[in-house]
Amino acid sequence: KQEVTQIPAALSVPEGENLVLNCSFTDSAIYNLQWFRQDPGKGLTSLLLIQSSQREQTSGRLNASLDKSSGRSTVYIAASQPGDSATYLCAVRGDQGGSEKLVFGKGMKLTVNP
Amino acid sequence: DTEVTQTPKHLVMGMTNKKSLKCEQHMGHRAMYWYKQKAKKPPELMFVYSYEKLSINESVPSRFSPECPNSSLLNLHLHALQPEDSALYLCASSQDWTGWETQYFGPGTRLLVL
Repeated sequence: KQEVTQIPAALSVPEGENLVLNCSFTDSAIYNLQWFRQDPGKGLTSLLLIQSSQREQTSGRLNASLDKSSGRSTVYIAASQPGDSATYLCAVRGDQGGSEKLVFGKGMKLTVNP
Repeated sequence: DTEVTQTPKHLVMGMTNKKSLKCEQHMGHRAMYWYKQKAKKPPELMFVYSYEKLSINESVPSRFSPECPNSSLLNLHLHALQPEDSALYLCASSQDWTGWETQYFGPGTRLLVL
């Protein structure tokens, strides 16, 4: 059974700091990995999707990497801003030939202080 | 346009009520999903529709009844809910249900069952 872990559960940093968000998963048989952002009480906003054949994906100040063999993904956020404050969720789409649902991590709550 | 809309935004209902949640997308996506998210937890998949047919039911109680009237619309009919069903209900869609696609989420309906 796929398990997705995000550590730490929360992070508080001053504005301008460069950040790394971590995600690990136990089963490397995946189609893709998707990073989402969720503001309090709101829906999920898709940030990046990395296919299993890709190593890296960039969107604006976000750069995501995927190492399928070691079961890890990281998102690098350059020059963090208070508007980046949110919960970041990582989710993997399994390739188990059946119920290929998204399996989410518990999220990491990021606070960027002005 | 990558928008998924959901109505209502908030819903309060008694345990004997019947209500419906509505989700709509006009991106031509052929897969649509219902998720349930409890506070401080990641989303949990409930149902998947692919080409207007129910593909996955994650052992959801029958008091939740999904319906896909056409390729743009997804409903979730609620009847005789319990207080523990209070949660944020998220709808999502993707181009297809092959495993490679980005899922786009709506803003959610916050449900309170009294």
